[in-house]
Amino acid sequence: QIALKESGPTLVKPTQTLTLTCDFSGFSLSTRGVGVGWIRQPPGKALEWLALIYWDDDKLYTPSLRNRLTITKDTSKTQVVLTLTNVDPVDTATYYCAHRREDYGDYDYWGQGRLVIVSS
Amino acid sequence: QSVLTQPPSVSGAPGQRLTISCTGNSSNIGAGYDVHWYQIVPGTAPKLLISNTNNRPSGVPDRFSGSKSGTSVSLVISGLQAEDEADYYCHTYDNSLGGWEVFGGGTKLTVL
Repeated sequence: QIALKESGPTLVKPTQTLTLTCDFSGFSLSTRGVGVGWIRQPPGKALEWLALIYWDDDKLYTPSLRNRLTITKDTSKTQVVLTLTNVDPVDTATYYCAHRREDYGDYDYWGQGRLVIVSS
Repeated sequence: QSVLTQPPSVSGAPGQRLTISCTGNSSNIGAGYDVHWYQIVPGTAPKLLISNTNNRPSGVPDRFSGSKSGTSVSLVISGLQAEDEADYYCHTYDNSLGGWEVFGGGTKLTVL
């Protein structure tokens, strides 16, 4: 059974770097076509897709945050890490990681989400 | 503001048929990329509802279906039920700006 769980700080100060970890089980990020994505949802607002890393280490980023985001994977540890530099209160959101299915392109399993508040 | 446009809200009475639209452009839906739909019940994580325009994952009731026309897709809910009250989002790939993925702005469904 596939499962994902996000971890990281709850509170981050403006200008700091946010680092979030997604621990997953039930699948391998070495399997062709598989990916792990990060999506966030600010309070009361819409989902926003952030980044995706594929089994072959190819990466995609949302254009508006491309210069602030980095996504990496540690296949042996079954982890995906997302970093967001120079955070601002507008980055306050629930951050989700999700399993991207090979051959479908959808996110069929999601973590429970991690609420991150950016405030001084 | 998302490149995928959804109505902010829709409402209907139990038993009614209801449609939620998602309009994109030639870089995403119009380019033929698959579109997926997610349901979010407040306080819970998103749930995959429809995959690749009109495929239901296991466990999703058959009253949910999807369709596509040009640069738009639609989520259709037949026989609306109270438990369908939630937020709905479309999602696809966009080939502009180097390639990325995008969610629609979301639609809040209220069951009257």
